[in-house]
Amino acid sequence: RKEVEQDPGPFNVPEGATVAFNCTYSNSASQSFFWYRQDCRKEPKLLMSVYSSGNEDGRFTAQLNRASQYISLLIRDSKLSDSATYLCVVNHIPGNTPLVFGKGTRLSVIA
Amino acid sequence: GAGVSQSPSNKVTEKGKDVELRCDPISGHTALYWYRQSLGQGLEFLIYFQGNSAPDKSGLPSDRFSAERTGGSVSTLTIQRTQQEDSAVYLCASSQGGGSPFEAFFGQGTRLTVV
Repeated sequence: RKEVEQDPGPFNVPEGATVAFNCTYSNSASQSFFWYRQDCRKEPKLLMSVYSSGNEDGRFTAQLNRASQYISLLIRDSKLSDSATYLCVVNHIPGNTPLVFGKGTRLSVIA
Repeated sequence: GAGVSQSPSNKVTEKGKDVELRCDPISGHTALYWYRQSLGQGLEFLIYFQGNSAPDKSGLPSDRFSAERTGGSVSTLTIQRTQQEDSAVYLCASSQGGGSPFEAFFGQGTRLTVV
């Protein structure tokens, strides 16, 4: 089983739609979780960290389910500018182990 | 402010030649990562430096790949006897490291093409 697994998509959604991505991780002792965004031919950038209690940043909501070892990202009211690849990232032991990236889920928001 | 800087931005090399890729992390960041990304693929971990600890080299695909980090700052990734399958974008990232989940900042990458 891969350390971090994501549905590769692509997800093609109309503007204004709500879309959700899931990610599963294999190491139950992993401690830190993130969503990164990567635009075409650009470097990845942090979208948001994922906290145990769940967290929201504007139209974006991230949730962590430790029991089932999955992380989710919900995007409400999709914009054309949300089109990108969303990368799920897990860190087993922050400060001692490298970030492990999923292969990403591609989102296309269509007018 | 200055971000992570990588050079060169593009490199075309002939099969069998050696190449060196350079990464200047953000000043003060103790953690430095190298990843590579082939076209349309995810990020493949190569090597991780954290402070003065021994680097985690578990992702290096073969003994043709090596990396060093001098003075805890600049890092060089060296690929010897390049092969066509080495063609990819090589991404470097740095973070404050330590025991907290600090954000990793990426450079714009070096696009390596082996012909």
